[in-house]
Amino acid sequence: ETGVTQTPRHLVMGMTNKKSLKCEQHLGHNAMYWYKQSAKKPLELMFVYSLEERVENNSVPSRFSPECPNSSHLFLHLHTLQPEDSALYLCASSFKMSSGSQYEQYFGPGTRLTVT
Amino acid sequence: SQELEQSPQSLIVQEGKNLTINCTSSKTLYGLYWYKQKYGEGLIFLMMLQKGGEEKSHEKITAKLDEKKQQSSLHITASQPSHAGIYLCGADRRGGGSNYKLTFGKGTLLTVNP
Repeated sequence: ETGVTQTPRHLVMGMTNKKSLKCEQHLGHNAMYWYKQSAKKPLELMFVYSLEERVENNSVPSRFSPECPNSSHLFLHLHTLQPEDSALYLCASSFKMSSGSQYEQYFGPGTRLTVT
Repeated sequence: SQELEQSPQSLIVQEGKNLTINCTSSKTLYGLYWYKQKYGEGLIFLMMLQKGGEEKSHEKITAKLDEKKQQSSLHITASQPSHAGIYLCGADRRGGGSNYKLTFGKGTLLTVNP
């Protein structure tokens, strides 16, 4: 029980589909993250929502669109994905101080995405 | 080049043996995190090290941070099959302001044979 849940756990979608990944944290954290984990590559930070501010990795394509309606919920909207986007998408949350210091991140179980 | 290099990439040990995994950074470290991941699942937080020379232990796992060498090591004593998994190190990159970024190594795959 990590306190961070993700749905769905598995998703298969075509390149023309639109889908959304959901993440919810029950830990009282104020920062949430989306990561992409591909085979043979390091975990890649995609987006951060922290203290009502969004920070993004500029290399993430626009076909990935995050949404954070409140500090407990995070979405990743997917549109017109490519086969190379198939990966494990991990959500994480943490507590971050306004000074920039932060505590450890807690991860959800991930969504295994396959784009056909 | 990789910001965080983990070695070895994979490791197979016999149950009961000790082992060490290393994580070396090419940039200044403000904090170093160790996580464990079962294949295809989320990461489980193990330890966070923030000060040079800091050493933390949890059960049979010990992690140290050598700030000068920009390196951390994770040591497992008397390994058990339950220790098997992928161990990842993550580094705190304070980019200034709120541009926080946590980068990870590629991971070390540990197999423990009974």
